[in-house]
Amino acid sequence: SQKIEQNSEALNIQEGKTATLTCNYTNYSPAYLQWYRQDPGRGPVFLLLIRENEKEKRKERLKVTFDTTLKQSLFHITASQPADSATYLCALDDYGGSQGNLIFGKGTKLSVKP
Amino acid sequence: DAGITQSPRHKVTETGTPVTLRCHQTENHRYMYWYRQDPGHGLRLIHYSYGVKDTDKGEVSDGYSVSRSKTEDFLLTLESATSSQTSVYFCAISEGGGRGVKNIQYFGAGTRLSVL
Repeated sequence: SQKIEQNSEALNIQEGKTATLTCNYTNYSPAYLQWYRQDPGRGPVFLLLIRENEKEKRKERLKVTFDTTLKQSLFHITASQPADSATYLCALDDYGGSQGNLIFGKGTKLSVKP
Repeated sequence: DAGITQSPRHKVTETGTPVTLRCHQTENHRYMYWYRQDPGHGLRLIHYSYGVKDTDKGEVSDGYSVSRSKTEDFLLTLESATSSQTSVYFCAISEGGGRGVKNIQYFGAGTRLSVL
């Protein structure tokens, strides 16, 4: 069966450390993978998109990797801050399914303690 | 929220009543989506639209219908609400569908629906 899994429901880290979130998928062949941030009571907000032929993408303190052999994406936040506390969602396209609509993981809730 | 307005933001209704949620966008994006978000399930696609009067089903479409008579408006209707439809509903838009940057989605603030 097809699955997209974010390996931790919750991740607690200390301010200043690097947060690493994992997104694994099974039986999909995505060409693109996206990461979103969701704050309580708000809709998800797009952060980064990475293509299958890109190993790594950076944006300020954020870094995403995409390994199509391992079927995994890693999302890193360096020098984390309490303001980074939120739920982070990964999403991949499902072109083999319904016209490339995004399939979302359940999210990882990140808490950064001062 | 990228020019996306959902209404109402909160609604409480009774089982068996019809409910319509509205999504309005000012971005002139071609694609619009309705998702529901529930604990333990994440975001699941209900229906989507790829143009005026062009709609298709998503993963969890049973019990829901949609209409899009104008580019800017996408309506989600629960014909006869059930308690299992208690959820947070999000509308999203994208410039295009399929693969790539055109499928980056922009979300509204959500509608919290309680069916008693």
